Amino acid sequence: EAQVTQNPRYLITVTGKKLTVTCSQNMNHEYMSWYRQDPGLGLRQIYYSMNVEVTDKGDVPEGYKVSRKEKRNFPLILESPSPNQTSLYFCASSAGPGETQYFGPGTRLLVL
Amino acid sequence: SQQGEEDPQALSIQEGENATMNCSYKTSINNLQWYRQNSGRGLVHLILIRSNEREKHSGRLRVTLDTSKKSSSLLITASRAADTASYFCATVVQGGSEKLVFGKGTKLTVNP
Repeated sequence: EAQVTQNPRYLITVTGKKLTVTCSQNMNHEYMSWYRQDPGLGLRQIYYSMNVEVTDKGDVPEGYKVSRKEKRNFPLILESPSPNQTSLYFCASSAGPGETQYFGPGTRLLVL
Repeated sequence: SQQGEEDPQALSIQEGENATMNCSYKTSINNLQWYRQNSGRGLVHLILIRSNEREKHSGRLRVTLDTSKKSSSLLITASRAADTASYFCATVVQGGSEKLVFGKGTKLTVNP
């Protein structure tokens, strides 16, 4: 089954404690991206990747890092989380930015 | 940056009625996509319409695109309670970066 998986689905952490949210897709997609969703602000792109070792900033990259060492995986790293990063995070993959995006189920993050 | 803006922000109708949502964008695009999101879940792709297309249908969904007005509309006919969700448009700026930009969404409630 074609899918995008994210882990963990729910996470409560404290300010400054590094965390990683994993994202994996099994569709051999080249384009992967991370979004955060906040009430009233819609989805905002954090980072995107056109292919292995190719990543670029989206609209809200501050406080986040990503890596794309393998085509299927695109982890999101918060080196020093802060409360303003409390949000709902989605990973997505597609054949390209203008093509159908396949979204993961989301990760709810609470930073205390 | 906000490329797509949906209108209205919220819409409440009765089952059986039609629902129309609009999306306006600012710059030239290659295509425009519509997505649906049930509360707190990942987005699901509905329709992609390319810049050289004016109208597209999928089941009870009808999407139009007017590139001269930089706007698109999503019509859901004969709505059902199960159509209750948020609907988003998404665009990639033509000739620009590879960022995919989502609007803030229209929250549709279909009352039984």
